[in-house]
Amino acid sequence: AQSVTQLDSHVSVSEGTPVLLRCNYSSSYSPSLFWYVQHPNKGLQLLLKYTSAATLVKGINGFEAEFKKSETSFHLTKPSAHMSDAAEYFCVVSLGRGAQKLVFGQGTRLTINP
Amino acid sequence: NAGVTQTPKFRVLKTGQSMTLLCAQDMNHEYMYWYRQDPGMGLRLIHYSVGEGTTAKGEVPDGYNVSRLKKQNFLLGLESAAPSQTSVYFCASRTGTDRETQYFGPGTRLLVL
Repeated sequence: AQSVTQLDSHVSVSEGTPVLLRCNYSSSYSPSLFWYVQHPNKGLQLLLKYTSAATLVKGINGFEAEFKKSETSFHLTKPSAHMSDAAEYFCVVSLGRGAQKLVFGQGTRLTINP
Repeated sequence: NAGVTQTPKFRVLKTGQSMTLLCAQDMNHEYMYWYRQDPGMGLRLIHYSVGEGTTAKGEVPDGYNVSRLKKQNFLLGLESAAPSQTSVYFCASRTGTDRETQYFGPGTRLLVL
């Protein structure tokens, strides 16, 4: 069965320092993986997606993620955090085929310190 | 293009009351989904629809019903609300061709007393 585990429920970094949000996945076949962001009291916005093309995926707002099959990981990174990055981040795996149902991780709350 | 909209934004119900949440999309998407979001649990799929007139159960369907009478609308019903249904509800939709990207609405916050 497909699943994702976000290794940190809360990450706190200083503005201008790198961001690393960790995600491990479990899938019986080659997965599609996503990162979504949710700002306070807002809906979810797609940051980036991996669908078996390049393993390094670039998304919006300077975020990127690298698919590592050997480590079953899909960590999200950003070189320099901005105050506007404070939000909840979800790693998501697609069940594939058919209705393309999504399975969400528990979420990581990112706090940016001035 | 409004994208995915949800009505209402916030509602308070008493135990046993019924209500319907409305999701509307103007992108001509085939697939629509209802999720609930609870603290520390990410989003869980309640029901989904692969086209007008069709619905299917997701991960947590109990206590909910859905209808997709029109392609652009997906209704989520609570026949007899329970405190355990206090949650934030998100609707999403996607095309039949871009199988990966779902577009989410802003959410409906529901409190059942």
